[in-house]
Parts: sequence; structure tokens; C-alpha cells
Amino acid sequence: AQKVTQAQTEISVVEKEDVTLDCVYETRDTTYYLFWYKQPPSGELVFLIRRNSFDEQNEISGRYSWNFQKSTSSFNFTITASQVVDSAVYFCALRRDGNQFYFGTGTSLTVIP
Amino acid sequence: GAGVSQSPSNKVTEKGKDVELRCDPISGHTALYWYRQRLGQGLEFLIYFQGNSAPDKSGLPSDRFSAERTGESVSTLTIQRTQQEDSAVYLCASRHTGGGGTEAFFGQGTRLTVV
Repeated sequence: AQKVTQAQTEISVVEKEDVTLDCVYETRDTTYYLFWYKQPPSGELVFLIRRNSFDEQNEISGRYSWNFQKSTSSFNFTITASQVVDSAVYFCALRRDGNQFYFGTGTSLTVIP
Repeated sequence: GAGVSQSPSNKVTEKGKDVELRCDPISGHTALYWYRQRLGQGLEFLIYFQGNSAPDKSGLPSDRFSAERTGESVSTLTIQRTQQEDSAVYLCASRHTGGGGTEAFFGQGTRLTVV
């Protein structure tokens, strides 16, 4: 079975602090894909990043970085120097080949000015 | 089109009525998904279409829910005899299947309120 766990339900940080959103996944497949999506208050889900199971390279995009570790089945997301505009619900997701996306329950991030 | 388009944006219906929700995927995207999101909750999988394959209907919560897709274009999600617990945002997403690992792009959703 596939499962994605986002243990952090809500996080509040003060602007300019760094914050890490945790994601732990379960799958028996050797080929799978991991994703992060952002859902701002407007409601539309915005794609942030995709990672293939055979590519464990970490990635940095501006203030965002992602740490993929197969040994711990984790795909964590760090926002550096957080801003108010980062306030949103963030979803981690897993997909097997030819299948649906399995989403975590989301982490609600509030950045306080 | 430029993105996934869903209509209507909002729908208020009386309990017991049928509703149809529409999704126009991104042109060329062979995979299409429907998810439901209740207020303050995560995404609940409903159904998945992939090209000409039989759809994965494993997430449909009851036989009141059904969905169709015309070829690789428009999809409609139908809810019959709506109940108050059907109130939610219904999200559609599409994905290009070349390469296997592509991401899905979501529409803005249809907010359904059953009164």
C-alpha cells in the first residue's frame, strides 16, 4: 500500500525564520515519484517540485530546498528566510507508475510578520 | 488551453438534486484525476482516467458518484441525489504521461454546497 505522512498539522514561524516541512512515505515499489504542492488561501494547488525514486539529489530553488532520503523514506521541504507569502497549506504526494497521486494530509504554514 | 479549467466555480444545490461538474484538461494530457477536498481536509482520491484504459474508480464513495471522459478531453463528474456530506471542493487535475514521472496540474476547483 502507498501512504504519505505529514505529521506536522500546523506550523507558525516568524518572518525570516527557516522552516522545514516533513514528509514520510511508504511504498514497496522501486519506481515512484514524489511531489510537493502549495495551496495558498485562494485554493488552487500549485506544483512545486517532482522527484524520481532513482534520483536522490537534493534540489535548491531560490529560498526553497528539498532533501530526499530513500534510507529514511523522507522527502522534506525547507523554506529559508520565510516570508508572509509562504503562508499556505503544503501537500506532499507520492505516485506509482500509471496510478493516482497519494497525498498527505497537508501542513498548514503561517508566517507571522 | 493554458490550464485546467473547471466549471462551475461554485454550485449551490438542494439536497436530493443531481449535479454535474465539468473539467477541461490541458490539451494533450492523457491522464485526468478527480479529487475531493472537504473544508480544512486533505485531498481524497475519487477517480483516474488514463487514455483508453478502464478508469480507476476505486475512490468513488458511493454509487451516487460517477464520472465520464470523452476521449482525452472533457470529463464530467456526476453526483446523484446529493447529500449534505457531499459539500466540498471538487478538484480536477491533468497530466502529460510522456516520461512517466510528470506532475499533475490542478484546476481551481468547483465548490459544491448542498443545502
